[in-house]
Amino acid sequence: RKEVEQDPGPFNVPEGATVAFNCTYSNSASQSFFWYRQDCRKEPKLLMSVYSSGNEDGRFTAQLNRASQYISLLIRDSKLSDSATYLCVVRDDKIIFGKGTRLHILP
Amino acid sequence: NAGVTQTPKFQVLKTGQSMTLQCAQDMNHEYMSWYRQDPGMGLRLIHYSVGAGITDQGEVPNGYNVSRSTTEDFPLRLLSAAPSQTSVYFCASSWGQGKYGYTFGSGTRLTVV
Repeated sequence: RKEVEQDPGPFNVPEGATVAFNCTYSNSASQSFFWYRQDCRKEPKLLMSVYSSGNEDGRFTAQLNRASQYISLLIRDSKLSDSATYLCVVRDDKIIFGKGTRLHILP
Repeated sequence: NAGVTQTPKFQVLKTGQSMTLQCAQDMNHEYMSWYRQDPGMGLRLIHYSVGAGITDQGEVPNGYNVSRSTTEDFPLRLLSAAPSQTSVYFCASSWGQGKYGYTFGSGTRLTVV
């Protein structure tokens, strides 16, 4: 099992729709979890941390399921500007990135 | 507050040449890392450092050297460039282990011909 796995997509979603991504991780001792966003030919930028109780930031909701070892990201009322690659990140003694899920929001 | 600064932004090398990619951060972060990103491969860890004077290998360290003489700087050296090292290189820094994510530099696009 790969350390961090994501569906590469692409997810083609109409504007205004809700979209969800999952990410699985292999190390049950992992301590911290994040979602990053990466635009084409740009550096990754932190979107949000993921807390055990789940957390929300505007249209974005992140959840952690330690028992099943996955994290999720939900985007509501999607905007054209949400088009990007979303990277799942897991931290134990190293910081491990998933390969990312590509999202295209269609007008 | 500059964050993480990488230089140069673009570089073309001939096979066999050596060069150093510079990375500096002004946030007093202990943790610094170098990644390369290739199409379809995601971000792969080259080397990382948990503090000044301490470095360790990541997933793809061959052909690269690093040193961490100060908290601020973490240069990446290509010893003898090869076409397989054509990639986008990102430097990133973070507070120590635990709940903190990374801040990335804007990247160096390297082509080896």
